[in-house]
Amino acid sequence: EAGVTQFPSHSVIEKGQTVTLRCDPISGHDNLYWYRRVMGKEIKFLLHFVKESKQDESGMPNNRFLAERTGGTYSTLKVQPAELEDSGVYFCASSPVGQGSEKLFFGSGTQLSVL
Amino acid sequence: GNSVTQMEGPVTLSEEAFLTINCTYTATGYPSLFWYVQYPGEGLQLLLKATKADDKGSNKGFEATYRKETTSFHLEKGSVQVSDSAVYFCALGPSGGSYIPTFGRGTSLIVHP
Repeated sequence: EAGVTQFPSHSVIEKGQTVTLRCDPISGHDNLYWYRRVMGKEIKFLLHFVKESKQDESGMPNNRFLAERTGGTYSTLKVQPAELEDSGVYFCASSPVGQGSEKLFFGSGTQLSVL
Repeated sequence: GNSVTQMEGPVTLSEEAFLTINCTYTATGYPSLFWYVQYPGEGLQLLLKATKADDKGSNKGFEATYRKETTSFHLEKGSVQVSDSAVYFCALGPSGGSYIPTFGRGTSLIVHP
C-alpha cells in the first residue's frame, strides 16, 4: 500500500514568487491535514479537509495561502506571493474517518526555502 | 486550547544509555496521547500511544505512561541504539471540541556508538 506522498521534496524560491505543494494521501483516507514546522519549533496545524470540504482552516496564516482538494483525493497548497517567513517544512498527513482516525500517516514533507 | 511542551534537544547519548524525553500537555477533556518518530529523510510515523489515564504505550523498547495527575507522557527507553537517532514528537489527539491533533516541537536524539 502506497503511503502519503508529497511533491516536491524541496523547493527554493525567491520572495514574491508562487509555489504549489502537492499531497497525495493514502487511498481511502478522507481526513487530510496540512501542518508546517519552522526550524526547531512545534509542528503547527494549518488546515483540515474531510474529503473535499475544508473542516477547519483556522491555522492558515493569511490569505496568501490557498489549499484545495478537488474531488477529495490529492490536495494542493499554494503560497502566493511567498514571503521569507513562509520558509519551513510543510507536512501532509491523512487518516480514515471513524475507526483509526486518531493515527495520522505523514508524508516526508516539503522543505520550502524562501530567499 | 490544547498544547504540548517537550524538552529541548538535542539529547546526545552513548549507545546502551537510558533515555528519557519529557512531555507535558495542556488539554480540555481527556485526549489520547501519542509519540511519533521522524527518521532522517522520512515522514513522521506513530511510535506508540495511550488512550486513557494510567495506560502504558510501548513499542520497539520505548515506553510512555499516561499520567493525568501530572499531565505528562514522558518517553523512556532502557538502552538506546544508534538506529534510534531521530526526532521524537509528543502529540495530543482531538479532545474538548477540538478535532485537530496537536504536536510539540520535537526533540532530536543523537546516539553515538
